[in-house]
Amino acid sequence: DIVMTQSPDSLAVSLGERATINCKSSQSVLYSSNNKNYLAWYQQKPGQPPQLLLYWASTRESGVPDRFSGSGSGTDFTLTISNLQADDVAVYYCQQYYSTPITFGPGTKVEIK
Amino acid sequence: EVQLVESGGGLVQAGGSLRLSCAASGFTFSSYAMSWVRQAPGKGLEWVSAVINSDDSTYYADSVKGRFTISRDTSKKTLYLQMNSLRAEDSAVYYCAKDGGNWYFDLWGRGTLVTVSS
Repeated sequence: DIVMTQSPDSLAVSLGERATINCKSSQSVLYSSNNKNYLAWYQQKPGQPPQLLLYWASTRESGVPDRFSGSGSGTDFTLTISNLQADDVAVYYCQQYYSTPITFGPGTKVEIK
Repeated sequence: EVQLVESGGGLVQAGGSLRLSCAASGFTFSSYAMSWVRQAPGKGLEWVSAVINSDDSTYYADSVKGRFTISRDTSKKTLYLQMNSLRAEDSAVYYCAKDGGNWYFDLWGRGTLVTVSS
């Protein structure tokens, strides 16, 4: 199974500042035949289901603000939230879909400082 | 409206069974793979099972293999999860999730809570 880890566990960022979340997979999720990273990011607000933010590591889902961006390849990935808004308070999860079982990272909680 | 609505959760004793349902609307249900993902109280997300649209192949996490069965009824636009031999560690909110094309999930239901008492 591919194990996903995230860092930090939580972070507090001032409004308007940048939040950076790291995600690491225990093996590469880059599929060489199409050069795509099988990595997605989700946002989960309290009391709500997760919501897809990014897939293929950096492709924003329709309707997701461009303040959310993803980068990385292979085993190391980053979710960046620029100009943090109060509405961004949530837990963020990465997920690999390179192979079954599908696995998620443990989550990173983002709060306002 | 594009949505998924889960039902069937509740309180059950260890060793018991439950069947969860997920009613889909607003999209062509038969064209997409579907999954169940669970979340224990205060914990992270755990993928449980998936059914593939093309041939109804099914996949399971090791933690539920042999105890849970996923199925779908395309005429009713409904996804199911039959859960047998339930354990305390199966207690969680169970989400139904639509595949976005490659096993990432672009639509989630609000979930249904399963509590297994020991």
